Amino acid sequence: KAGVTQTPRYLIKTRGQQVTLSCSPISGHRSVSWYQQTPGQGLQFLFEYFSETQRNKGNFPGRFSGRQFSNSRSEMNVSTLELGDSALYLCASSLGGLAGGVSDTQYFGPGTRLTVL
Amino acid sequence: QKEVEQNSGPLSVPEGAIASLNCTYSDRGSQSFFWYRQYSGKSPELIMFIYSNGDKEDGRFTAQLNKASQYVSLLIRDSQPSDSATYLCAVNIRYGNKLVFGAGTILRVKS
Repeated sequence: KAGVTQTPRYLIKTRGQQVTLSCSPISGHRSVSWYQQTPGQGLQFLFEYFSETQRNKGNFPGRFSGRQFSNSRSEMNVSTLELGDSALYLCASSLGGLAGGVSDTQYFGPGTRLTVL
Repeated sequence: QKEVEQNSGPLSVPEGAIASLNCTYSDRGSQSFFWYRQYSGKSPELIMFIYSNGDKEDGRFTAQLNKASQYVSLLIRDSQPSDSATYLCAVNIRYGNKLVFGAGTILRVKS
């Protein structure tokens, strides 16, 4: 079974621009979560989508948004880029079903390395 | 207090030894606990997950969970140089797949 795929793998943008990142989950997985990883802040949760609905959201400004399509593929968008948005953006997929509050296992894609100049 | 805390290390162990990685969490309602390994320049790779108190073994890896003490650990037996990486502890603290990660512990296995 193919793993999580993310495109593009590398991206260079300038301040003020916007960017769209794409994630294709493992076949059969319905939940897609996005994370930002930086040397200073580590791995931080951005948001989770399940069945085309945002189910959870982290503490990021409204410049960060996402969506999920009917085939479970997801995109995240960052508008008005700032230097501090330079990071590795990771997508993780899981089956998405929850039993008694216990989450299922998330599998990460290779990430998109975004550099903002 | 951070939600998930790990000693940043580096933790250095000789080849063949047992590496012990520790993690504490603040939310008593947490029910799902995960260990990921991340090599430099790569994405996190799942090693183990644990939901119930006690030990869970998978090959050379053993995860231990103590909910009363809010403590999760990962033991790596017969450590190999290829185990050298950053080990991330992750806790799901609410409904939905929102993982909160610790800062990670750098493990160095010396041959």
